[in-house]
Amino acid sequence: GAVVSQHPSRVICKSGTSVKIECRSLDFQATTMFWYRQFPKQSLMLMATSNEGSKATYEQGVEKDKFLINHASLTLSTLTVTSAHPEDSSFYICSARAPSLSTDTQYFGPGTRLTVL
Amino acid sequence: GENVGLHLPTLSVQEGDNSIINCAYSNSASDYFIWYKQESGKGPQFIIDIRSNMDKRQGQRVTVLLNKTVKHLSLQIAATQPGDSAVYFCAENMADYKLSFGAGTTVTVRA
Repeated sequence: GAVVSQHPSRVICKSGTSVKIECRSLDFQATTMFWYRQFPKQSLMLMATSNEGSKATYEQGVEKDKFLINHASLTLSTLTVTSAHPEDSSFYICSARAPSLSTDTQYFGPGTRLTVL
Repeated sequence: GENVGLHLPTLSVQEGDNSIINCAYSNSASDYFIWYKQESGKGPQFIIDIRSNMDKRQGQRVTVLLNKTVKHLSLQIAATQPGDSAVYFCAENMADYKLSFGAGTTVTVRA
């Protein structure tokens, strides 16, 4: 149980375009999902908390208008990188809590490698 | 701000030996800790967790030790195998269920 998927796994786009990344909890309902960014050889940095049915909360320094988050259902959260630039190239990872499994653990998706040309 | 950090960035271990990965945390109020394993190009994979009311927890080939007095966490891997080569992160549960990750330790298993 507690499987999280992400789509796409890799995306290459031109500068100025927008990219949408999906995060799905496959076998459980996730009222809360999290979005992280990870640069090469660095740790995971939390970008925002995605709450089903309400607005996302962003960490300090993360532009909410650039990284649009939508949590439309209990199994899906999307992250849209708007007007992407080369500096947005990174590994984006989502996670989900599974309170129904009586655990505070976050389960992570496989990540999405974004390359902006 | 408060953070979780690791003592050593890399660890090289002979196959079959035991591995010990250390982690220091600074938030004395933290009550839940998790170890994750991340292979290259993949998302973090849950290994084991521990709550602050415990000082030791064992899983399959792994043991987590928690010393709240010195705010130290460690992960022990028994009989390390090539498949254990990865980056290991400790994470600390913060407010609102957020996780704060340490810098990560790269474990390389020598055949």
